[in-house]
Amino acid sequence: DGGITQSPKYLFRKEGQNVTLSCEQNLNHDAMYWYRQDPGQGLRLIYYSQIVNDFQKGDIAEGYSVSREKKESFPLTVTSAQKNPTAFYLCASSMEVGGRTEAFFGQGTRLTVV
Amino acid sequence: GNSVTQMEGPVTLSEEAFLTINCTYTATGYPSLFWYVQYPGEGLQLLLKATKADDKGSNKGFEATYRKETTSFHLEKGSVQVSDSAVYFCARGVSDKIIFGKGTRLHILP
Repeated sequence: DGGITQSPKYLFRKEGQNVTLSCEQNLNHDAMYWYRQDPGQGLRLIYYSQIVNDFQKGDIAEGYSVSREKKESFPLTVTSAQKNPTAFYLCASSMEVGGRTEAFFGQGTRLTVV
Repeated sequence: GNSVTQMEGPVTLSEEAFLTINCTYTATGYPSLFWYVQYPGEGLQLLLKATKADDKGSNKGFEATYRKETTSFHLEKGSVQVSDSAVYFCARGVSDKIIFGKGTRLHILP
C-alpha cells in the first residue's frame, strides 16, 4: 500500500537534546512538507521541499533542520535551539509542486520534551 | 497576502442537524481549495477539493462550492452524525505549498 510513514508515533526527549523525526513516502511524490500543530493554532509550515537536494524554510523554521537526500525521505531534526519543541509534528507530500494537488499526510509524531 | 480564515470552534450540534463551517481565503489568481478532516490522534485526510471557480467538491455527504466572487469555500452537510466529530481544516494551494486555516473542532451530540 502506498502512503506516508512517520516514526515514531510518540517521542520523549530531554531538554537540550537534538532529535530526528522520520518521514518516508512511497507515493513517488516530488514535494514534501513538515508542519507543526499546536492547540488552537492550526498547522504551521516548518520546511518544505520541492525536489531532491533542495528545500525552503516555511513560517517557523528557526530551531529546525531538514535534509532531502532521497525522493522518498524528508527527516526533520528538532535542535536544542528550538525553544518550545513539544508539539504534534505532521509530514505530508504532494504529487506536484504548485499547490494544485492535495497533500497526503502521515499519522504524525507527538514529541514531548521533558 | 495568502491566507485562509475559517470560523472558530468548537461547534456543537445535535445529530441530524445541518452543518456549515465558513471558510474564506485571500488570493491572487485561481488557487485550488481543500477541506481536510483530522480525527483524534491522527494525521489529516483529504475530505474534498475544488480546483476552479464554481466547482463543487463533495464526499461522504459533505459539500463545498468554490465561490470566486466571495472568495469562499464553505463546508456544508445536510445531516451530521456522531462519527463526524473531528477537526476540519480549510486550505488553499499557493504557488509552491498549501496553506491551512486554524481548524474548526466539531462535536456532534447523540
